[in-house]
Amino acid sequence: AQKITQTQPGMFVQEKEAVTLDCTYDTSDQSYGLFWYKQPSSGEMIFLIYQGSYDEQNATEGRYSLNFQKARKSANLVISASQLGDSAMYFCAMNTDKLIFGTGTRLQVFP
Amino acid sequence: GAVVSQHPSRVICKSGTSVKIECRSLDFQATTMFWYRQFPKQSLMLMATSNEGSKATYEQGVEKDKFLINHASLTLSTLTVTSAHPEDSSFYICSARDPGTGWDTIYFGEGSWLTVV
Repeated sequence: AQKITQTQPGMFVQEKEAVTLDCTYDTSDQSYGLFWYKQPSSGEMIFLIYQGSYDEQNATEGRYSLNFQKARKSANLVISASQLGDSAMYFCAMNTDKLIFGTGTRLQVFP
Repeated sequence: GAVVSQHPSRVICKSGTSVKIECRSLDFQATTMFWYRQFPKQSLMLMATSNEGSKATYEQGVEKDKFLINHASLTLSTLTVTSAHPEDSSFYICSARDPGTGWDTIYFGEGSWLTVV
């Protein structure tokens, strides 16, 4: 069975600091992809970053980087230099033939 | 700009009526679309996979007769909530994958807030 686990219901970080959001996954497939999405209160799903299971290098997109540890089946999101606008729900997701989501982490950035 | 458009963004309907939500891919032909449901402060739960020209594949526990999915063209999938009840009030959101690219290009619609009164 495929499963995504996010163990942090909520996280606080001070503006300009870095924060790591945890994500672990479970799958028996050899080929899969890992995603992170940001969901503000408006509900839209904003794609942040993608990591393929065969990618050897960790993905980076601007202030977002994905710490991919395949042996540990973890795909943590690192946000550097947090901004107030980063406050939102963050979802980790995995695909094989369909895209499934973790329970999410609510990030709050304070001044 | 948005490559997957969802309509309506908000809808209120009376209990017992049906409501249709549309999901359109604007810049590509989507052979597969996905429908999710999200309750407040919860995660996105996959309801079904919509396949163009064939029946949708529903996830376990999702009532096929209540949530009708039609994928009649390569750019349009519809979700119809039949005989809606207040417990069906939720946020519904679709996504589509551009088959011409890899899995890193999954696009989401803007979502639809359904309130059944």
